[in-house]
Amino acid sequence: QLQLQESGPGLVKPSETLSLTCTVSGGSISSSSYYWGWIRQPPGKGLEWIGSIYYSGSTYYNPSLKSRVTISVDTSKNQFSLKLSSVTAADTAVYYCEAAGIGFDYWGQGTLVTVSS
Amino acid sequence: EIVLTQSPATLSLSPGERATLSCRASQSVSSYLAWYQQKPGQAPRLLIYDASNRATGIPARFSGSGSGTDFTLTISSLEPEDFAVYYCQQRSNWPPVWTFGQGTKVEIK
Repeated sequence: QLQLQESGPGLVKPSETLSLTCTVSGGSISSSSYYWGWIRQPPGKGLEWIGSIYYSGSTYYNPSLKSRVTISVDTSKNQFSLKLSSVTAADTAVYYCEAAGIGFDYWGQGTLVTVSS
Repeated sequence: EIVLTQSPATLSLSPGERATLSCRASQSVSSYLAWYQQKPGQAPRLLIYDASNRATGIPARFSGSGSGTDFTLTISSLEPEDFAVYYCQQRSNWPPVWTFGQGTKVEIK
Protein backbone atom coordinates (compact mmCIF):
# COMPACT_ATOMS: atom_id res chain seq x y z
CA GLN A 1 0.00 0.00 0.00
CA LEU A 2 1.62 3.22 -1.15
CA GLN A 3 1.63 6.29 1.05
CA LEU A 4 2.44 9.76 -0.25
CA GLN A 5 3.23 12.88 1.77
CA GLU A 6 3.68 16.41 0.46
CA SER A 7 6.06 18.89 2.03
CA GLY A 8 7.09 22.45 1.31
CA PRO A 9 6.36 26.11 2.10
CA GLY A 10 2.75 27.08 2.67
CA LEU A 11 3.34 30.68 1.59
CA VAL A 12 5.03 31.86 -1.59
CA LYS A 13 5.48 35.44 -2.83
CA PRO A 14 4.14 36.51 -6.22
CA SER A 15 6.63 36.05 -9.09
CA GLU A 16 8.64 33.51 -7.10
CA THR A 17 8.89 29.75 -7.59
CA LEU A 18 6.66 27.30 -5.73
CA SER A 19 8.57 24.16 -4.71
CA LEU A 20 7.00 21.03 -3.24
CA THR A 21 8.30 17.54 -2.54
CA CYS A 22 6.39 14.27 -2.30
CA THR A 23 7.86 11.43 -0.26
CA VAL A 24 6.72 7.95 -1.22
CA SER A 25 6.63 5.04 1.22
CA GLY A 26 5.40 1.49 0.89
CA GLY A 27 6.84 1.13 -2.59
CA SER A 28 9.60 2.21 -4.94
CA ILE A 29 9.42 5.33 -7.05
CA SER A 30 11.39 3.37 -9.65
CA SER A 31 8.36 1.14 -10.21
CA SER A 32 7.03 0.98 -13.75
CA SER A 33 3.50 0.56 -12.36
CA TYR A 34 2.82 4.25 -11.82
CA TYR A 35 3.12 7.74 -13.17
CA TRP A 36 4.02 10.09 -10.30
CA GLY A 37 2.41 13.49 -10.47
CA TRP A 38 0.73 16.56 -9.06
CA ILE A 39 -2.85 17.80 -9.02
CA ARG A 40 -4.09 21.06 -7.55
CA GLN A 41 -7.42 22.41 -6.34
CA PRO A 42 -8.03 26.14 -5.80
CA PRO A 43 -10.22 26.86 -2.76
CA GLY A 44 -13.83 25.95 -3.53
CA LYS A 45 -13.03 24.84 -7.07
CA GLY A 46 -12.36 21.68 -9.06
CA LEU A 47 -9.33 19.52 -9.72
CA GLU A 48 -6.57 20.40 -12.19
CA TRP A 49 -3.87 17.97 -13.28
CA ILE A 50 -0.48 19.73 -13.31
CA GLY A 51 1.86 17.08 -14.64
CA SER A 52 3.39 13.63 -14.19
CA ILE A 53 6.71 11.82 -14.45
CA TYR A 54 7.36 8.19 -15.31
CA TYR A 55 10.11 6.03 -13.80
CA SER A 56 12.07 6.43 -17.05
CA GLY A 57 12.25 10.18 -16.39
CA SER A 58 9.79 11.13 -19.12
CA THR A 59 7.61 14.06 -18.12
CA TYR A 60 4.12 15.08 -19.19
CA TYR A 61 2.62 18.46 -18.38
CA ASN A 62 -0.73 20.20 -18.59
CA PRO A 63 -0.43 22.33 -21.74
CA SER A 64 -1.82 25.34 -19.87
CA LEU A 65 1.00 25.19 -17.29
CA LYS A 66 3.79 23.62 -19.30
CA SER A 67 5.91 26.76 -19.62
CA ARG A 68 6.13 27.14 -15.83
CA VAL A 69 6.26 23.55 -14.53
CA THR A 70 9.12 21.18 -13.83
CA ILE A 71 8.67 17.76 -12.22
CA SER A 72 11.69 15.69 -11.24
CA VAL A 73 12.50 12.50 -9.36
CA ASP A 74 15.10 11.69 -6.71
CA THR A 75 15.27 7.91 -6.64
CA SER A 76 17.85 7.90 -3.80
CA LYS A 77 15.30 9.53 -1.50
CA ASN A 78 12.19 7.91 -3.04
CA GLN A 79 10.83 11.41 -3.69
CA PHE A 80 9.56 13.48 -6.56
CA SER A 81 9.24 17.24 -6.75
CA LEU A 82 7.26 20.05 -8.33
CA LYS A 83 8.52 23.47 -9.27
CA LEU A 84 6.07 26.09 -10.55
CA SER A 85 7.65 29.37 -11.55
CA SER A 86 6.37 32.93 -11.73
CA VAL A 87 3.43 32.27 -9.43
CA THR A 88 0.46 34.59 -9.00
CA ALA A 89 -2.55 34.60 -6.70
CA ALA A 90 -4.27 32.30 -9.21
CA ASP A 91 -1.83 29.56 -8.19
CA THR A 92 -3.17 29.53 -4.63
CA ALA A 93 -4.49 26.00 -4.14
CA VAL A 94 -4.28 22.73 -2.29
CA TYR A 95 -1.57 20.75 -4.04
CA TYR A 96 -1.82 16.96 -4.06
CA CYS A 97 0.84 14.49 -5.09
CA GLU A 98 -0.49 11.27 -6.56
CA ALA A 99 0.39 7.95 -8.12
CA ALA A 100 -1.47 7.09 -11.32
CA GLY A 101 -1.88 3.47 -12.31
CA ILE A 102 -5.39 2.37 -13.28
CA GLY A 103 -6.52 5.86 -12.30
CA PHE A 104 -5.19 8.23 -9.68
CA ASP A 105 -4.87 5.32 -7.29
CA TYR A 106 -3.02 6.96 -4.42
CA TRP A 107 -3.06 10.53 -3.12
CA GLY A 108 -1.23 12.53 -0.54
CA GLN A 109 -3.30 14.42 2.02
CA GLY A 110 -2.70 17.69 0.18
CA THR A 111 -0.94 20.87 1.21
CA LEU A 112 -2.32 24.40 0.92
CA VAL A 113 -0.02 26.83 -0.82
CA THR A 114 -0.96 30.49 -0.67
CA VAL A 115 0.58 33.03 -3.02
CA SER A 116 0.72 36.38 -1.28
CA SER A 117 3.17 39.12 -0.48
CA GLU B 1 -7.62 18.83 -25.68
CA ILE B 2 -10.54 16.71 -24.49
CA VAL B 3 -13.10 18.53 -22.37
CA LEU B 4 -15.28 16.64 -19.89
CA THR B 5 -18.67 18.13 -19.02
CA GLN B 6 -20.52 16.83 -15.97
CA SER B 7 -24.20 17.20 -15.28
CA PRO B 8 -26.00 18.20 -13.26
CA ALA B 9 -23.81 20.59 -11.27
CA THR B 10 -25.79 19.75 -8.13
CA LEU B 11 -28.04 16.79 -7.36
CA SER B 12 -30.36 17.07 -4.36
CA LEU B 13 -31.52 13.69 -3.14
CA SER B 14 -32.56 11.85 0.02
CA PRO B 15 -30.82 8.84 1.58
CA GLY B 16 -32.02 5.65 -0.08
CA GLU B 17 -32.64 7.32 -3.43
CA ARG B 18 -30.83 6.49 -6.65
CA ALA B 19 -28.27 8.96 -7.98
CA THR B 20 -27.39 9.20 -11.66
CA LEU B 21 -24.43 11.40 -12.63
CA SER B 22 -23.42 12.13 -16.21
CA CYS B 23 -20.06 12.86 -17.83
CA ARG B 24 -19.78 13.76 -21.50
CA ALA B 25 -16.48 13.99 -23.40
CA SER B 26 -15.86 16.41 -26.27
CA GLN B 27 -14.40 13.49 -28.25
CA SER B 28 -14.15 9.76 -27.76
CA VAL B 29 -12.09 8.58 -24.79
CA SER B 30 -12.73 4.91 -25.51
CA SER B 31 -13.29 3.40 -22.04
CA TYR B 32 -10.48 5.25 -20.25
CA LEU B 33 -12.80 7.07 -17.87
CA ALA B 34 -12.56 7.16 -14.10
CA TRP B 35 -14.77 8.51 -11.30
CA TYR B 36 -13.69 9.97 -7.96
CA GLN B 37 -15.47 10.94 -4.75
CA GLN B 38 -14.26 13.89 -2.70
CA LYS B 39 -15.47 14.83 0.76
CA PRO B 40 -14.68 18.20 2.39
CA GLY B 41 -11.09 18.47 3.57
CA GLN B 42 -10.11 15.14 2.02
CA ALA B 43 -8.23 14.01 -1.04
CA PRO B 44 -10.34 12.47 -3.79
CA ARG B 45 -10.83 8.70 -3.76
CA LEU B 46 -10.87 6.52 -6.86
CA LEU B 47 -14.25 4.80 -7.25
CA ILE B 48 -14.41 3.52 -10.84
CA TYR B 49 -11.75 2.96 -13.50
CA ASP B 50 -11.99 2.01 -17.16
CA ALA B 51 -15.61 3.25 -17.12
CA SER B 52 -17.13 0.31 -15.26
CA ASN B 53 -14.62 -1.35 -12.92
CA ARG B 54 -14.91 -0.70 -9.20
CA ALA B 55 -11.65 0.11 -7.43
CA THR B 56 -10.56 -1.95 -4.44
CA GLY B 57 -12.89 -1.64 -1.47
CA ILE B 58 -15.61 0.33 -3.28
CA PRO B 59 -19.14 -0.82 -2.36
CA ALA B 60 -21.29 -2.51 -4.98
CA ARG B 61 -23.87 0.30 -4.85
CA PHE B 62 -21.46 2.32 -7.01
CA SER B 63 -21.48 1.40 -10.68
CA GLY B 64 -20.18 2.97 -13.86
CA SER B 65 -21.22 2.57 -17.46
CA GLY B 66 -20.66 4.04 -20.90
CA SER B 67 -18.06 4.28 -23.63
CA GLY B 68 -16.97 6.70 -26.29
CA THR B 69 -18.27 10.10 -25.20
CA ASP B 70 -21.10 9.39 -22.73
CA PHE B 71 -20.58 7.97 -19.27
CA THR B 72 -22.70 7.50 -16.16
CA LEU B 73 -21.97 6.95 -12.49
CA THR B 74 -24.89 5.40 -10.60
CA ILE B 75 -25.26 5.11 -6.85
CA SER B 76 -28.08 2.63 -6.44
CA SER B 77 -29.21 3.67 -2.95
CA LEU B 78 -27.59 6.67 -1.31
CA GLU B 79 -26.02 6.18 2.09
CA PRO B 80 -25.38 9.19 4.37
CA GLU B 81 -21.63 8.95 3.65
CA ASP B 82 -22.19 9.23 -0.13
CA PHE B 83 -23.08 12.92 -0.04
CA ALA B 84 -19.98 14.45 -1.59
CA VAL B 85 -18.59 15.87 -4.82
CA TYR B 86 -17.94 13.47 -7.70
CA TYR B 87 -15.49 14.03 -10.54
CA CYS B 88 -14.98 12.19 -13.79
CA GLN B 89 -11.51 12.05 -15.33
CA GLN B 90 -9.97 10.81 -18.56
CA ARG B 91 -6.47 10.17 -19.81
CA SER B 92 -5.55 10.62 -23.45
CA ASN B 93 -3.65 7.72 -24.96
CA TRP B 94 -0.44 9.39 -26.10
CA PRO B 95 1.09 11.53 -24.84
CA PRO B 96 -0.67 10.94 -21.54
CA VAL B 97 -2.62 14.02 -20.55
CA TRP B 98 -5.18 13.81 -17.77
CA THR B 99 -8.28 16.01 -17.51
CA PHE B 100 -11.14 16.27 -15.03
CA GLY B 101 -14.74 17.25 -15.31
CA GLN B 102 -15.89 20.20 -13.21
CA GLY B 103 -17.66 18.01 -10.65
CA THR B 104 -21.18 17.15 -9.50
CA LYS B 105 -22.17 17.83 -5.92
CA VAL B 106 -24.59 15.30 -4.42
CA GLU B 107 -26.31 17.02 -1.53
CA ILE B 108 -28.93 16.00 0.98
CA LYS B 109 -32.43 17.14 0.02
